Amino acid sequence: SAVISQKPSRDICQRGTSLTIQCQVDSQVTMMFWYRQQPGQSLTLIATANQGSEATYESGFVIDKFPISRPNLTFSTLTVSNMSPEDSSIYLCSVEAITSGRSETQYFGPGTRLLVL
Amino acid sequence: AQSVTQLGSHVSVSEGALVLLRCNYSSSVPPYLFWYVQYPNQGLQLLLKYTSAATLVKGINGFEAEFKKSETSFHLTKPSAHMSDAAEYFCAVSFSGGYQKVTFGTGTKLQVIP
Repeated sequence: SAVISQKPSRDICQRGTSLTIQCQVDSQVTMMFWYRQQPGQSLTLIATANQGSEATYESGFVIDKFPISRPNLTFSTLTVSNMSPEDSSIYLCSVEAITSGRSETQYFGPGTRLLVL
Repeated sequence: AQSVTQLGSHVSVSEGALVLLRCNYSSSVPPYLFWYVQYPNQGLQLLLKYTSAATLVKGINGFEAEFKKSETSFHLTKPSAHMSDAAEYFCAVSFSGGYQKVTFGTGTKLQVIP
């Protein structure tokens, strides 16, 4: 299994500022993802964090707004830039891990609850 | 585009009763299908997944789901609800063969009444 921790667990920020969320995994993983879960809504994939190269963003998400770093196989950061109240959401880090040989499982971190005033 | 529809944003069952959470997908090709559970103030946890092997998939905590191609459904069931099953459940679909490009449904909150 993979244990994922995220920092901060929650934050309240002023509009126009930026927040960097950290994701740490206790084992090396190939795939790391960042999701957003807006109030009362389901999860939406923001991007796939690629080790050693630029992240792959989904439609509607851009690097200038959500820059992502992944310096190694156990760590990634997501920055929410120039925040507005619409960015209030839970941000989740997720990894794909190999378990039991070929079996693959997806694990999620506990999330970062962000409120933008 | 791939999508999943979860019927019922809230479902209430009595403790010991059958749990049935509905999920339908839209696809012209065989998908990978998942059910996740999110307990209050916790991250998502994979319950089970369908990857084109057996159509009846057994997961953790006594849950299972059956893939029905003719109905494009992947409903989640559990014979007897327990209080600890109270959580939000998400159905999800992917065509990538893995966990990339996973699309989640809107979720169903399960309430278990003692």
